[in-house]
Amino acid sequence: QKEVEQDPGPLSVPEGAIVSLNCTYSNSAFQYFMWYRQYSRKGPELLMYTYSSGNKEDGRFTAQVDKSSKYISLFIRDSQPSDSATYLCAMRTNNAGNMLTFGGGTRLMVKP
Amino acid sequence: GAVVSQHPSWVICKSGTSVKIECRSLDFQATTMFWYRQFPKQSLMLMATSNEGSKATYEQGVEKDKFLINHASLTLSTLTVTSAHPEDSSFYICSARGSSGSFTDTQYFGPGTRLTVL
Repeated sequence: QKEVEQDPGPLSVPEGAIVSLNCTYSNSAFQYFMWYRQYSRKGPELLMYTYSSGNKEDGRFTAQVDKSSKYISLFIRDSQPSDSATYLCAMRTNNAGNMLTFGGGTRLMVKP
Repeated sequence: GAVVSQHPSWVICKSGTSVKIECRSLDFQATTMFWYRQFPKQSLMLMATSNEGSKATYEQGVEKDKFLINHASLTLSTLTVTSAHPEDSSFYICSARGSSGSFTDTQYFGPGTRLTVL
């Protein structure tokens, strides 16, 4: 079993829809949680960075962390075709030398 | 803030030659830099971690004599693929992390370098 599981998709939604992307993990020591967006043939771009449990909102994006369930989510409101990309969740412990453990990525397609 | 650049963005070389890829943190000091490899439609695979002024720590299965990493300053790390072969063709991405407790205390990625070995 992988440490971080993420549905690879593809997830296809119409423009304007609310998108929910999720990751589950097995290591209860993970404390820091990140979401990256990666366009084709580009490097990942940091979208959200949260510590421990709770919600964080930034524009159309909301990140949720539920440590009791070992489950994190990224919500995208009013999705746009430009949101079409692969979304990677990543996480780390306090003392992992700052190495990140990545999910496999979910490919999102937002259709006009 | 927290911009990481890579150069070149795309390189084509002949089998047997060596290729150097540069990774720079443009607006912060990177205490740690990471090098990843990514095959099409796959997630990132960590190759090595380097701290400024120290030898890189390589992941299991990554040949340190083939993938030479130098982290000579707080803003520059280089990856040299020595005696490249077609199977080394891949997308190489670096990331940089700033000081603990600062806003750069996470990994910021470069745009990637596409290597094609003929």
